[in-house]
Amino acid sequence: QQQVKQSPQSLIVQKGGISIINCAYENTAFDYFPWYQQFPGKGPALLIAIRPDVSEKKEGRFTISFNKSAKQFSLHIMDSQPGDSATYFCAASPQDSNYQLIWGAGTKLIIKP
Amino acid sequence: GAGVSQSPSNKVTEKGKDVELRCDPISGHTALYWYRQSLGQGLEFLIYFQGNSAPDKSGLPSDRFSAERTGGSVSTLTIQRTQQEDSAVYLCASSFRQGGTGELFFGEGSRLTVL
Repeated sequence: QQQVKQSPQSLIVQKGGISIINCAYENTAFDYFPWYQQFPGKGPALLIAIRPDVSEKKEGRFTISFNKSAKQFSLHIMDSQPGDSATYFCAASPQDSNYQLIWGAGTKLIIKP
Repeated sequence: GAGVSQSPSNKVTEKGKDVELRCDPISGHTALYWYRQSLGQGLEFLIYFQGNSAPDKSGLPSDRFSAERTGGSVSTLTIQRTQQEDSAVYLCASSFRQGGTGELFFGEGSRLTVL
């Protein structure tokens, strides 16, 4: 069974610090790795995504790092702000599916002022 | 608005009653998903539509759950004989492309409480 394991379950970071959320997968046949951000009372929204042919993608303060050999990918939030407090989900799309996304369990991030 | 619209936003019902949850996707989006999210938990896949067809309904928890999509647009998720364990937020998402590698646009969800 395809799985994406996300850690930590919850994370508290001081304002200005670096938030790091990790995901690991058990099947090499994934070809797309998005991260979604969910605020309380809202649906998730796409934050940033990466394909396995690149090792890093940066958009503003948000960076995805991808390690194909270790089957791991992580989200780094630089200069974390209270407005970044949300739940973050990683996901992976199987190569043999044109619609599936395998979701991590989510990380609740709290940025302390 | 241009986003995914879900109704009702909140529904409180008594155990044993039937409920219908509605999703109005972004115009032109052919792919539509239903997910369930229990309090503080992750996203549980329920069903995927491509147009009006549901090639994957493997996530529906029981035969009390059904969904349909008409005109390649609006979708309705129906839960019959609701149980307390059905209490959750039901999220709908749509995508212009088949959603595996396309961005999913989520609605704000329908919060269902079964007393």
